[in-house]
Amino acid sequence: SAVISQKPSRDICQRGTSLTIQCQVDSQVTMMFWYRQQPGQSLTLIATANQGSEATYESGFVIDKFPISRPNLTFSTLTVSNMSPEDSSIYLCSVELTGGPTDTQYFGPGTRLTVL
Amino acid sequence: AQTVTQSQPEMSVQEAETVTLSCTYDTSESDYYLFWYKQPPSRQMILVIRQEAYKQQNATENRFSVNFQKAAKSFSLKISDSQLGDAAMYFCAYRPPPGTYKYIFGTGTRLKVLA
Repeated sequence: SAVISQKPSRDICQRGTSLTIQCQVDSQVTMMFWYRQQPGQSLTLIATANQGSEATYESGFVIDKFPISRPNLTFSTLTVSNMSPEDSSIYLCSVELTGGPTDTQYFGPGTRLTVL
Repeated sequence: AQTVTQSQPEMSVQEAETVTLSCTYDTSESDYYLFWYKQPPSRQMILVIRQEAYKQQNATENRFSVNFQKAAKSFSLKISDSQLGDAAMYFCAYRPPPGTYKYIFGTGTRLKVLA
């Protein structure tokens, strides 16, 4: 498995501001993912971040709103830009560990964002 | 397109009893992976159990076991001897074959454990 940490664990932000969420993994991984989980809902994939290349965004998510950095194999950031109350969600990063009997995704503890 | 369906938004079980959570999926692939994740109120998603589609034997992890019916595209989770700490949201997830990466998650089942 992997140990994944996220900072901050929660934040309350004002409309129109931006927040950068950090994700740190205790081992080198190729694939990192960012998800959004709205209250009481399932997970929605925002983008996939591979080291050394541009992030790949899912339909409905754009780089201007959710810029992602992936400077090395253990770290990534997601920025939520120009926030509105609709951005209030839990944001989760995850990594996929490969090479074993099953490719498996492991998740960070999440960042709870409230936008006022 | 692949889909994952969890038809039980909420389930309750008495402590020490057994409960089964349902999951069905749709895919045209023959090689894929299936997972159950648990998300307690603390919100950390925890891997409960995983199943490779090419394996006929059902996966087990201590009190957790699955009933994998490939032809029926069904992947249910059985929790035996339920404990208060099992209370959480449970998500069923499908992973396509190697070479693709996008997991498909179900809508979740909230499990309540009654003392």
